[in-house]
Amino acid sequence: GENVEQHPSTLSVQEGDSAVIKCTYSDSASNYFPWYKQELGKRPQLIIDIRSNVGEKKDQRIAVTLNKTAKHFSLHITETQPEDSAVYFCAAAVSKAAGNKLTFGGGTRVLVKP
Amino acid sequence: DTAVSQTPKYLVTQMGNDKSIKCEQNLGHDTMYWYKQDSKKFLKIMFSYNNKELIINETVPNRFSPKSPDKAHLNLHINSLELGDSAVYFCASSLSPTGERAFFGQGTRLTVV
Repeated sequence: GENVEQHPSTLSVQEGDSAVIKCTYSDSASNYFPWYKQELGKRPQLIIDIRSNVGEKKDQRIAVTLNKTAKHFSLHITETQPEDSAVYFCAAAVSKAAGNKLTFGGGTRVLVKP
Repeated sequence: DTAVSQTPKYLVTQMGNDKSIKCEQNLGHDTMYWYKQDSKKFLKIMFSYNNKELIINETVPNRFSPKSPDKAHLNLHINSLELGDSAVYFCASSLSPTGERAFFGQGTRLTVV
């Protein structure tokens, strides 16, 4: 089955700096890669996703890059703000009609220091 | 208007008891899920239903039994609760069984004492 590794497990950055979180996956058939943000005591919320037919996607201060050959994908947050502090999860799945199973990475706790 | 709502939000119960968690979504999605988040924040899928039919059943003790009376509801019943069942349980839904853009509920924190 799919295995997703996420690094680092914790990340402390100064406000205004960039944060980068990296994930690797094992199943070369995986074709859907979402990122979720979970604030303390709250539900995971989808912040950005990418499908395997594109290499990069941007949405304001966040971007995701995908390297299918190397089987890794990354989340980039620019100009970090204190409200970016949360746990971020990457996930990978083989998106198919018969049933898609999201396999999550272990999470990265991001702390943005003012 | 909450998109995916779970009840209860908190549940404290003794070992050996039987309990249920309810989930409802008003997004018109066809597919619903149960995820378990352990104390280390690791998120793992347990079950998935598409239009009331079970499509994903991970290696979960058979003390856990999901039930989907209609495509807007997915409940989780747990028999003979054990200490190791303590976790946060999240319900989620997505438009189709491709699972893309899954929307999570607020979670149910289950504590077994």
